[in-house]
Order: sequence, then C-alpha cells, then structure tokens
Amino acid sequence: GQQLNQSPQSMFIQEGEDVSMNCTSSSIFNTWLWYKQDPGEGPVLLIALYKAGELTSNGRLTAQFGITRKDSFLNISASIPSDVGIYFCAGQLGLGNEKLTFGTGTRLTIIP
Amino acid sequence: DAGITQSPRHKVTETGTPVTLRCHQTENHRYMYWYRQDPGHGLRLIHYSYGVKDTDKGEVSDGYSVSRSKTEDFLLTLESATSSQTSVYFCAISESRGHGNTIYFGEGSWLTVV
Repeated sequence: GQQLNQSPQSMFIQEGEDVSMNCTSSSIFNTWLWYKQDPGEGPVLLIALYKAGELTSNGRLTAQFGITRKDSFLNISASIPSDVGIYFCAGQLGLGNEKLTFGTGTRLTIIP
Repeated sequence: DAGITQSPRHKVTETGTPVTLRCHQTENHRYMYWYRQDPGHGLRLIHYSYGVKDTDKGEVSDGYSVSRSKTEDFLLTLESATSSQTSVYFCAISESRGHGNTIYFGEGSWLTVV
C-alpha cells in the first residue's frame, strides 16, 4: 500500500527547544493531517491542511502543506513537558477516497 | 471530542473465539473506520464504511468482518481470534470541515488474544 516516510523516528530535546518533523510521500495528497498520541489514548488531531502551500498554526504548533502535495512539515516552538508523545502525519486523497495513510510516527522525548 | 465511544475498552480472549468490538457515534457522520495500531506499523486501516450497509476493505482486512446496520454503530468482528490480532483497535469518523474532511479517533480498544 501507499507509504508515508516520517522523520525523524525519535527526538530527544531539552525543554524550550524548537522541534521540526516532516513527512514525505511518493504520491500526492489533497489533505494533510497531524496528530499527537499520548500513551493509552487515541490520536488527537492537531492541525489539518487542505491546500498546497498552506501554512497553519495552532498555538506553538505550525504545519505546512508542501507545494508539491507530496510532503508536509510540523514545527513546535519552545517545547514544554506536555509536548512529549508520538506525532503522526496522515495524508488523505479525498475526492471520494476518504481513507487516511499514516506515517510511522515521531516519538518526542524531553530531557530534563 | 467527536462523540465516538468504543466498547469494550479492554478485552482478553482465547484463540479461536469470536470477538466483536463496537464503535458508537452520536453525530450522524457518514464515514466510519476501523484501524489497528501495532509497534513498527503505525495505524493501518482494516475496514471502513461510507453509509449504512456500505462497507469496504482496508489494507489489513483478512480475518476481520464489519457491519453497519445503522448510522451510529460500526461493528468489527474477529470471527476466530488469533494471537496476531492482539492489538489496539481505533474507530474513527470523518467530519466535513470547510475545505475538506478531517478524521477523529476514538479512545481505542485494547485486545489481547491468548
């Protein structure tokens, strides 16, 4: 099936640092979604992107829909302890095909 | 919160027994999905539904069946559970938002097959 390459797989940072992660695809998507998952819980939607080139913010989080439609980026500024978790990107073709394809996740750890 | 409830939240069952997981939504969404999540594989689509009695397979549908007899409920059945079906199962719904659709997840059902 379709694959999304998400990187990095894991990150170890200090509180206050900025974080960047990205997803790339071999084919285009018309929607990109970013989720965060805490242990024992379901993925929670952070940001949804619907247009190539779109840049959207949600508090300290900013995500971009790549202009080629084959990639997306998530940045977290000034990280805090509650940012710890696994971040997933997901692409959706839409246009009647509503299935999501997920990246394998980026595990964010904050070093005391 | 997209009004999604999964049950049971945790279950331990024996190999060969049938198991049904239920997803209930309260907001009349047309699209519903079942995903499983495993280490190293991320979230993978099992089956999805685009309306009452309308379902289709995802990428890992073998060993699973689904039914949707009413809009609010989407059932996932393991006819004869195997150890490889030990996993966390997430139900999701698709909600239309302006320019496109957004998918929201339930809290998960942890299934252990022994």
